[in-house]
Amino acid sequence: NAGVTQTPKFRILKIGQSMTLQCAQDMNHNYMYWYRQDPGMGLKLIYYSVGAGITDKGEVPNGYNVSRSTTEDFPLRLELAAPSQTSVYFCASSTGGMNTEAFFGQGTRLTVV
Amino acid sequence: AQKITQTQPGMFVQEKEAVTLDCTYDTSDQSYGLFWYKQPSSGEMIFLIYQGSYDEQNATEGRYSLNFQKARKSANLVISASQLGDSAMYFCAMRETSGTYKYIFGTGTRLKVLA
Repeated sequence: NAGVTQTPKFRILKIGQSMTLQCAQDMNHNYMYWYRQDPGMGLKLIYYSVGAGITDKGEVPNGYNVSRSTTEDFPLRLELAAPSQTSVYFCASSTGGMNTEAFFGQGTRLTVV
Repeated sequence: AQKITQTQPGMFVQEKEAVTLDCTYDTSDQSYGLFWYKQPSSGEMIFLIYQGSYDEQNATEGRYSLNFQKARKSANLVISASQLGDSAMYFCAMRETSGTYKYIFGTGTRLKVLA
């Protein structure tokens, strides 16, 4: 069972570079999420999607973009990377309903230098 | 706005003893879900236990139980018979049911189990 797959696992970017963090799930979940976790902190929601073609901003969307062209994939785009975007990024997915947990990917550790 | 508060940045517990990790939440929704996740040093997020707002009994999963006090808006995690492998970061989360179904996380509690 693959579950939620994130690539890459690690990445170092230079200031001003761009990159896309990939996220794919094979559980046919409608809901997908991107979170960032800064050292010693909780998870902050960047963007989320309730289905293919539908995305919306979370708590900390500035500097990021997303798209959801298929149910399976939810890539996160970083434009003009800044040191403040150094973080661990988690992608998660779930079904609807209040009683279903979020399934998380393994995370991407991003460093911007 | 919904909010999760975890007031204990760090906790120590002796091996084989029980420990309670605090979580309070704020929501105006009548229908919501509460979750606990474990994050070991390897970094992955592991789901532990769930409690629904309409559940009358506290949830239990093996050594984990959730002390749910709806009137006080608290959902504390109790770990019984602590093991060294329980040393990790623990996050409380709430899922909105007002349409967006977002998960909101607290800042976490780092638990260290002492031998």
